[in-house]
Amino acid sequence: EAAVTQSPRNKVAVTGGKVTLSCNQTNNHNNMYWYRQDTGHGLRLIHYSYGAGSTEKGDIPDGYKASRPSQENFSLILELATPSQTSVYFCASGLGRWDTQYFGPGTRLLVL
Amino acid sequence: GQQVQQSPASLVLQEGENAELQCNFSTSLNSMQWFYQRPGGSLVSLFYNPSGTKHSGRLTSTTVIKERRSSLHISSSQTTDSGTYLCALEQGTGSKLSFGKGAKLTVSP
Repeated sequence: EAAVTQSPRNKVAVTGGKVTLSCNQTNNHNNMYWYRQDTGHGLRLIHYSYGAGSTEKGDIPDGYKASRPSQENFSLILELATPSQTSVYFCASGLGRWDTQYFGPGTRLLVL
Repeated sequence: GQQVQQSPASLVLQEGENAELQCNFSTSLNSMQWFYQRPGGSLVSLFYNPSGTKHSGRLTSTTVIKERRSSLHISSSQTTDSGTYLCALEQGTGSKLSFGKGAKLTVSP
């Protein structure tokens, strides 16, 4: 069974602060993804990666950076958090085409 | 605009009734995928379906590419089927997913 973990599970941040969300997968998947889920919008892709050292912009990358230091780890970085970034963030991993994606449990972020 | 249109947005059933959820898409695709999400929970893959019909227990997924639609049929619904069902269009070389807004299913005993 594919395993994707996220930390922290819940986070309260202040406006203008830096937030780092971490994701770890033990499946040796090349591809990793960061999504946010908001009522009325569904899940939207922020950044993704094809492997260690690579990051690509998704559909809504503004205000976010990503880092893939290793095959297992993929981080999402909010350098200057804003209240509009309050959301639930999901990380996922997958082999790529012809395979599904495996999701982590999610991180609830509240920016005050 | 939204590449994936999902309907209905919500559905309430009595236990034992069947459910039909639809997704229509406006672009080419590698596959259509269906996920289940418990309230406050993560997503679990139900089907990876590039075309045709696939079965898993009481669930059936059908994707018809030339009609740009995919459906998820749940037969003999149970209260444990309650939750949100999301379809996602996979496209491009990066296997990126574009999600529908989800269909909230409530099954009453």
